[in-house]
Amino acid sequence: EAQVTQNPRYLITVTGKKLTVTCSQNMNHEYMSWYRQDPGLGLRQIYYSMNVEVTDKGDVPEGYKVSRKEKRNFPLILESPSPNQTSLYFCASSSSGGSVLLYEQYFGPGTRLTVT
Amino acid sequence: AQKVTQAQTEISVVEKEDVTLDCVYETRDTTYYLFWYKQPPSGELVFLIRRNSFDEQNEISGRYSWNFQKSTSSFNFTITASQVVDSAVYFCALTLYNFNKFYFGSGTKLNVKP
Repeated sequence: EAQVTQNPRYLITVTGKKLTVTCSQNMNHEYMSWYRQDPGLGLRQIYYSMNVEVTDKGDVPEGYKVSRKEKRNFPLILESPSPNQTSLYFCASSSSGGSVLLYEQYFGPGTRLTVT
Repeated sequence: AQKVTQAQTEISVVEKEDVTLDCVYETRDTTYYLFWYKQPPSGELVFLIRRNSFDEQNEISGRYSWNFQKSTSSFNFTITASQVVDSAVYFCALTLYNFNKFYFGSGTKLNVKP
């Protein structure tokens, strides 16, 4: 089954304790992205990756890191989480191909993070 | 800069009513893509439609229809004869031709009451 998986699905942590949210897709997609969803703000893009070793900032990258060492995985790293990073996080992937044939993003189930 | 505005924060309708969700976008690029996603109470994001900027044809899929008007920079979504299962948050999104950054609206929460 084609899917994007995220782990963990729920996480409660304390300020300053480094954490990683994993994201994996089995569709051989080139494009992967992280979003956070906050009430009244919709989804905001944190980072995206066009392919292995190619990453770039979205609109809200502060406090986050990413890496893309393998095509299927795109982990999100919070080196020193703070309460304002409490949010619902979504990973997404898509086949891009660089042409005008653009495909929709497939989203993971979400990770609800609480930083106290 | 790109921006997507969904001015309707929340809409409540009674089952079988028609409802239109508004989406207004801003971009100076001539090639872009517009999307609608549905987020039911279970939380997952479900793709509904993608529209290219050079294709202004309206689209109908069952009870769903989309009206794309470049002249007013709008990409509105209409649900005909709404059902309780349509209750969800709906997001409109925009990306440019090079398909890297995505811009989402703040979402419209639709409540369909029986």
